[in-house]
Amino acid sequence: DAKTTQPTSMDCAEGRAANLPCNHSTISGNEYVYWYRQIHSQGPQYIIHGLKNNETNEMASLIITEDRKSSTLILPHATLRDTAVYYCIVRVRVTGGGNKLTFGTGTQLKVEL
Amino acid sequence: EPEVTQTPSHQVTQMGQEVILRCVPISNHLYFYWYRQILGQKVEFLVSFYNNEISEKSEIFDDQFSVERPDGSNFTLKIRSTKLEDSAMYFCASLGQGRTDTQYFGPGTRLTVL
Repeated sequence: DAKTTQPTSMDCAEGRAANLPCNHSTISGNEYVYWYRQIHSQGPQYIIHGLKNNETNEMASLIITEDRKSSTLILPHATLRDTAVYYCIVRVRVTGGGNKLTFGTGTQLKVEL
Repeated sequence: EPEVTQTPSHQVTQMGQEVILRCVPISNHLYFYWYRQILGQKVEFLVSFYNNEISEKSEIFDDQFSVERPDGSNFTLKIRSTKLEDSAMYFCASLGQGRTDTQYFGPGTRLTVL
């Protein structure tokens, strides 16, 4: 799996958009970008994933650069409940599942009033 | 919404004792995982399980560890003789089959070895 680099921590004001960057310059053509988050030692929670097109769901948007070497997770209106560690994970997607997830240290996002 | 559940939420044991951590994956999921997270460290993969056998395991998952799916619903992690360094949060995850390969995690069991 390709290595990812994320800032250690970020702050965001409540109600504003939180933009979390991830660098994955060694990503290969068949590797997807996944985002999970972990709220204070709870189990990690899936947010979103993508290959090369931008993706949006009810939780967030994922913007992947054209060269796929970096991506940004956007939480459009951050709330205090979004305070968590956010993990960017790059891995091959196996049809039907089965792959383990390899977590890095992630970005600690702190949403403040 | 279906969810992965784990019991107990907190387990305290003496060094050298056996512990069994229990997980109920989401029904109709086929892939099962255990991860652990030592306090202040990364979430680490331990083992994956599919079709009643281990499909992959990490270096951490040595002979002291075993997994089992004793019936159609539970998925267990056994540590035969616990060590102080086994103290951690243990997370179970499950995965369905289909277009998405999203792993759903349980809330974790905090294991404290004294």
